[in-house]
Amino acid sequence: DAGITQSPRHKVTETGTPVTLRCHQTENHRYMYWYRQDPGHGLRLIHYSYGVKDTDKGEVSDGYSVSRSKTEDFLLTLESATSSQTSVYFCAISDAPGTASGTDTQYFGPGTRLTVL
Amino acid sequence: GEDVEQSLFLSVREGDSSVINCTYTDSSSTYLYWYKQEPGAGLQLLTYIFSNMDMKQDQRLTVLLNKKDKHLSLRIADTQTGDSAIYFCAESLLSGSARQLTFGSGTQLTVLP
Repeated sequence: DAGITQSPRHKVTETGTPVTLRCHQTENHRYMYWYRQDPGHGLRLIHYSYGVKDTDKGEVSDGYSVSRSKTEDFLLTLESATSSQTSVYFCAISDAPGTASGTDTQYFGPGTRLTVL
Repeated sequence: GEDVEQSLFLSVREGDSSVINCTYTDSSSTYLYWYKQEPGAGLQLLTYIFSNMDMKQDQRLTVLLNKKDKHLSLRIADTQTGDSAIYFCAESLLSGSARQLTFGSGTQLTVLP
């Protein structure tokens, strides 16, 4: 978890309200990812970013949007939260392939537990 | 499409070896990873193997890769109670503008005293 923080760590909200989760890194890594973790599904990719203002959809992007206005921060927004979005959300970072770190290994933050009532 | 499969549960006695298995479907994977998740925590990278390797050893951990059968395994020697956790395998594939990881559902390892 070193170099990656997520806030808040826990949140309870009501259906229909907007929610924003924040991921902050101090590693200056190019790539950032948002996953959700649900029982029986492992981790599924929601959105990712390959640079400032550059984002793309993952496997389960419906109902989510993201923004990356600077290298260190990647925000995940649920415009109108639904009960199906109750989950644990993980942020991950990785460096670009071919750089000194070598691989495209992803390093994970501690997670945010979101409950939508 | 990509699909990574793991058995859901494994129980072993303390001091025995644990072997966690994983199968994947995409032969173009470059790296394959093993992550460990303890309760209430994020995923911790354990080890990885490049797709042109057959085996990698790192202290108590041994990773075996059979590319022909698309089978990956993680062996933990002298398993300890602190090894109790969920273990995820993942394959790395180029998709869109980044390399993406596809995860298995995780194997819950329970170490019995």
